[in-house]
Amino acid sequence: GAGVSQSPRYKVAKRGQDVALRCDPISGHVSLFWYQQALGQGPEFLTYFQNEAQLDKSGLPSDRFFAERPEGSVSTLKIQRTQQEDSAVYLCASSPGTAAFYGYTFGSGTRLTVV
Amino acid sequence: QKEVEQNSGPLSVPEGAIASLNCTYSDRGSQSFFWYRQYSGKSPELIMSIYSNGDKEDGRFTAQLNKASQYVSLLIRDSQPSDSATYLCAVIYGNKLVFGAGTILRVKS
Repeated sequence: GAGVSQSPRYKVAKRGQDVALRCDPISGHVSLFWYQQALGQGPEFLTYFQNEAQLDKSGLPSDRFFAERPEGSVSTLKIQRTQQEDSAVYLCASSPGTAAFYGYTFGSGTRLTVV
Repeated sequence: QKEVEQNSGPLSVPEGAIASLNCTYSDRGSQSFFWYRQYSGKSPELIMSIYSNGDKEDGRFTAQLNKASQYVSLLIRDSQPSDSATYLCAVIYGNKLVFGAGTILRVKS
């Protein structure tokens, strides 16, 4: 596609509910990143894929967070048993190279609100 | 802990003035630096990248890098109300970008 597409744009979840957030990167982009952005803060790194391989998941805040990119294209970020502190905007970004030399192109984000 | 520090602002400048945004980073070995603009409720948008010491100009934007001082800046000439946004500094650490918290810029008409 022309840009990075994320869905849903907005998600309201009850505490304890599981959610799945989808990212469709720019066609042909090798690298895919997930970030979490709290209100008034910069994006915080969650995880990084190169093709289908998850090379860095050091930013995932707990074992309730899980990400996959099984065919090296679309990625899903899953959050189990959501908590109020999970409320944030979740940004997906892709890059054409194997490193972030080019900078990222971000999607529009998914705003998650846990009530 | 890899850190990127920015003054949160807000930085207020009159229309037509030069806005100067600053950023410091902790890892002396960092090689690539980026500036993103983020409008309220929108996602970050890449506006400048810089890899070598000195200045890089692109239209009204100039990025400045001083690796010895671990300092990156962004100058916006002839500031316009449409430049009002949060400006995020980002630094490459390994295979990922680490972002500062951003500086809010307000351009008053």
